[in-house]
Amino acid sequence: DQQVKQNSPSLSVQEGRISILNCDYTNSMFDYFLWYKKYPAEGPTFLISISSIKDKNEDGRFTVFLNKSAKHLSLHIVPSQPGDSAVYFCAATTNDYKLSFGAGTTVTVRA
Amino acid sequence: EAGVAQSPRYKIIEKRQSVAFWCNPISGHATLYWYQQILGQGPKLLIQFQNNGVVDDSQLPKDRFSAERLKGVDSTLKIQPAKLEDSAVYLCASSLDRWGRTDTQYFGPGTRLTVL
Repeated sequence: DQQVKQNSPSLSVQEGRISILNCDYTNSMFDYFLWYKKYPAEGPTFLISISSIKDKNEDGRFTVFLNKSAKHLSLHIVPSQPGDSAVYFCAATTNDYKLSFGAGTTVTVRA
Repeated sequence: EAGVAQSPRYKIIEKRQSVAFWCNPISGHATLYWYQQILGQGPKLLIQFQNNGVVDDSQLPKDRFSAERLKGVDSTLKIQPAKLEDSAVYLCASSLDRWGRTDTQYFGPGTRLTVL
């Protein structure tokens, strides 16, 4: 069963604008969340994470927001750049350290 | 620092044949993971090693899949015999230490398997 869902398979955004990627989860035991970025023919690379004790974490142009009551997190990329065009995976884990991944959202940044 | 290495990068076999994938993790990383990523889905953990011991293989189809990590470094994942539904990208990842909750997993480029 899919415990982490990314309901938007793709997103197209103009360069310089904000990209917002969404992720929903069903397992209330998840308490650590991550975003990975993947380019074609490469493995996923870690982007940013957030613990359930926080509701926001920033790293440069990337900000992750967590809404525990809604079991929802989002990744904001501001401003979007052409190099941000990639597949973004949301992942979550409990204290068993096993990552559960969403299906990914393909972001295309238009010049 | 060299990343996670995997080979081969691509493999095409017929159903019922056998196949093996190899992974060399980042030097010094104690934990090694094998994931299966089917087209249109996120990676799914198959097996996790801590040094050369298995800590989680609950999602490994043990009737056809096997994995080993000799001497706590390199690892091989084998499928015998392969089925059509095994067509996927097999990703290897490593991390410094499983017990670090925020320990980052570093992924290799994957092996794309096509079963005909």
